[in-house]
Amino acid sequence: GNSVTQMEGPVTLSEEAFLTINCTYTATGYPSLFWYVQYPGEGLQLLLKATKADDKGSNKGFEATYRKETTSFHLEKGSVQVSDSAVYFCALRGVSGGYQKVTFGTGTKLQVIP
Amino acid sequence: EAGVTQFPSHSVIEKGQTVTLRCDPISGHDNLYWYRRVMGKEIKFLLHFVKESKQDESGMPNNRFLAERTGGTYSTLKVQPAELEDSGVYFCASSQGFRSEQYFGPGTRLTVT
Repeated sequence: GNSVTQMEGPVTLSEEAFLTINCTYTATGYPSLFWYVQYPGEGLQLLLKATKADDKGSNKGFEATYRKETTSFHLEKGSVQVSDSAVYFCALRGVSGGYQKVTFGTGTKLQVIP
Repeated sequence: EAGVTQFPSHSVIEKGQTVTLRCDPISGHDNLYWYRRVMGKEIKFLLHFVKESKQDESGMPNNRFLAERTGGTYSTLKVQPAELEDSGVYFCASSQGFRSEQYFGPGTRLTVT
């Protein structure tokens, strides 16, 4: 079945540092890939997505590239801010197992300190 | 436009008691989903409604969990009787079509003591 593996947290960075959160996946076919973010006290929000190989999703300075050859979708940001402190979830939706189901990773908590 | 809302935001109950969680989807969204995150692990799919019909309940852990969506609007998820391992955060999501983006609510944190 489908699965997502992401780096464990928590990750603590200083403001303006470079961020990478690794994510790899297992799925048959060509799933769509997502990063969701949950800010403190709020619901899950879609941060960015990519629907086919080599697509780059981007939003709010965050980027992730769909790498079919390495089955990866790593999240990056060049300069993090305190307001980026949140839990980040890598996820996929694919035909295998049913497109209605979103399969999530375990989440990575990011704390950015001034 | 209001987003997905969930009630309560936090519930603390004793083992053996009953709890009912509620989800109000975005107006006009026929598809409604329940997920949960247990003990800081991954968020897992529980079930999917299309209007009032259960399309997929393959993720429901056991028969102590009962989900309903009478009238195809809001949904409830009842846990009866609750066990310690049911503690976690229960998320609801809704979408217009089943391939459309799923919009998530803030979650209900359930603590069973």
